[in-house]
Amino acid sequence: DVKVTQSSRYLVKRTGEKVFLECVQDMDHENMFWYRQDPGLGLRLIYFSYDVKMKEKGDIPEGYSVSREKKERFSLILESASTNQTSMYLCASDREPNTEAFFGQGTRLTVV
Amino acid sequence: RKEVEQDPGPFNVPEGATVAFNCTYSNSASQSFFWYRQDCRKEPKLLMSVYSSGNEDGRFTAQLNRASQYISLLIRDSKLSDSATYLCVVNINSGGSNYKLTFGKGTLLTVNP
Repeated sequence: DVKVTQSSRYLVKRTGEKVFLECVQDMDHENMFWYRQDPGLGLRLIYFSYDVKMKEKGDIPEGYSVSREKKERFSLILESASTNQTSMYLCASDREPNTEAFFGQGTRLTVV
Repeated sequence: RKEVEQDPGPFNVPEGATVAFNCTYSNSASQSFFWYRQDCRKEPKLLMSVYSSGNEDGRFTAQLNRASQYISLLIRDSKLSDSATYLCVVNINSGGSNYKLTFGKGTLLTVNP
């Protein structure tokens, strides 16, 4: 059974903290994505990666960075968390453009 | 213009009804097209891919019109279990052979007994 695993389901962090969200996939997928989902705004792409050590900015990269040191792992980093980064974060992976993308269960991050 | 736009909804329909969702995309370089389904508090999951020739899976029919940059999803004989948010998804070329998976905001469907 294919799997994308996010390290935490729920996270509460303080303003200014550095936050790491981890995502691991076991399907040997080339492409990995980080989204945030907010009511009324849908899923918005933060960053994506099409290969190890490669990354591209999505539509809302400000305040975030990513790391992909190994093919199976894609980390999202909030350099200095702010309250407007309170959101549901979803990681996804796929093999090619015309194939199914698989999502992790999501991490609900609250920044206080 | 947003890259992927969907009917805002919400849609409330009785069991057995036929319901149609529409979606438009702005980038003519878009490569592939999908409908995903997201249940409440769950992650999105693929419902079906959308092909130029149109495709059907049971009660679900998806259509793509590249000339009009328009995608549709038709659900016939709605069931209570069809209640979910339906997401239009487009792969948009981001340069070279790379692409980004872009979602519409989603349309909430509630099927009532």
